[in-house]
Amino acid sequence: QVQLVQSGAEVKKPGASVRVSCKASGYTFSRYGVNWVRQAPGQGLEWMGWINAYSGNTNYAQKFQGRVTMTTDTSTSTAYMEVRGLTSDDTAVYYCARQGSNYIEGSDYWGQGTLVTVSS
Amino acid sequence: DIQMTQSPSSVSASVGDRVTVTCRASQGISNWLAWYQQKPGKAPRLLIYAASSLQSGVPLRFSGSGSGTDFTLTISSLQPEDVATYYCQQAKSFPFTFGPGTKVDIK
Repeated sequence: QVQLVQSGAEVKKPGASVRVSCKASGYTFSRYGVNWVRQAPGQGLEWMGWINAYSGNTNYAQKFQGRVTMTTDTSTSTAYMEVRGLTSDDTAVYYCARQGSNYIEGSDYWGQGTLVTVSS
Repeated sequence: DIQMTQSPSSVSASVGDRVTVTCRASQGISNWLAWYQQKPGKAPRLLIYAASSLQSGVPLRFSGSGSGTDFTLTISSLQPEDVATYYCQQAKSFPFTFGPGTKVDIK
């Protein structure tokens, strides 16, 4: 069965960086993309960006350009997202989600979420 | 960027009621729209893709319709397990923006 398992919760100080991992299983990793979505406490869903797991091509929301890097390791079927220069506004649950090559099909499988807390 | 709006922001209905949630895109997106359900403390779940296609395993009481800029998610007979926040998302062009969400609960 398809599963996306994310790394555990993180507590970081302002200005630090965090890297969240998302390990996929149950499907051919390189045939899909990965979306990253975050949700601040009590807020809605915010799309951060997408990566093609095979080519590594990315597309980031303008808001995160230059501060977020998404990568994949096809040898371990793992996607990574790094956020630099953390502020309290980055406190959120971060989700990875599988995206089919036909974007119209939506994100059909999601990770369990990783809580990142930014606090001094 | 394509902006997504939803209405209402919240709705309270009785078990068995028909519930309708509306989503509007700031420009035409054909049928490149998905609906997600999110329960508290859980990851979102894909309900509908391509505006009206039911994702595998989703109960038949959920349906989607619309094209262009105006879309609707309908729960034909609200059940207690449907208490959640519902989000639309466009996939016509990057960034894949979400609507602000509609919270559905039981009256």
